[in-house]
Amino acid sequence: QVQLQESGPGLVKPSQTLSLTCTVSGGSISSGGDYWTWIRQHPGKGLEWIGYIHYRGSTYYNPSLKSRLTMSADMSKNQFSLKLTSVTAADTAVYYCARYGSKSGEGYFDHWGQGTLVTVSS
Amino acid sequence: EIVMTQSPLSLPVTPGEPASISCRSSQSLLHSDGYTYLGWYVQRPGQSPQLLIYLASQRASGVPDRISGSGSGTDFTLKISRVEAEDVGVYYCMHALETFHTFGQGTKLEIK
Repeated sequence: QVQLQESGPGLVKPSQTLSLTCTVSGGSISSGGDYWTWIRQHPGKGLEWIGYIHYRGSTYYNPSLKSRLTMSADMSKNQFSLKLTSVTAADTAVYYCARYGSKSGEGYFDHWGQGTLVTVSS
Repeated sequence: EIVMTQSPLSLPVTPGEPASISCRSSQSLLHSDGYTYLGWYVQRPGQSPQLLIYLASQRASGVPDRISGSGSGTDFTLKISRVEAEDVGVYYCMHALETFHTFGQGTKLEIK
C-alpha cells in the first residue's frame, strides 16, 4: 500500500520561500506512469491543483502559480518536493501530496498524504 | 481552463434516503482515447480527500456499490442509493482531461 507523508515548516514569513517534501513509502516514485502531485486547500475552501512531477523530470504547473513554483524529485530518497517563492497570506493552506495515475484509463489521484498546514505570517 | 460546476452546494439527507450530486464541465471530458476523464472524491471531516469514482463511472477499490457515477460529455452525476452516516463529507468532482486539473466547488453532504 502506497503511503505519502508531507513534511516541512508550518510557519513561513511573507516574501519568503515555502518548502515542502513528500516521502513515499510502499512504492517507488520511479513507477512509469505516475505523476507526483501537490494539491492545496485554503482554510474552509475547496481543492486547488498546484502541479506535479514525473520522476524523469517532466513538470506541469498550475498557470496561476507557475512563476513562483519549482518541483523536484529525489529517487534515492523516494521523495519529491515543492518550493513556492515570494509567499503571501494567500498561500496559507493545507498542502497535500498525492499520486496521480496518468495512463490511459486512469486519470485519478488514488493515494494522498494526510496534509500539512502551512501558515504565512510574520 | 476547464470550469467545473457542482450543484447543490449543500445537501441535507435523511439516513436511508438517496442523494444525488450534479457536476457540469465547461467542455466535454471525452478524450480522444475514448475515455471520459471525470472523477469524484469525498473529503470526510478531518481527513484527506479520497477517490470514489474515476472515468465517470468506475468505482475505486473499496467503494460500496451503493455509490455510483454516471454521465458523459459535460454532465455528470454522483448517486448514493441509501445514505449512511459515514457518507457525511464534502464531495468534489474533478476533471483529468488535461494537465491543468480543476475541481468543482464541493458539495457538503450532511445528515438531517
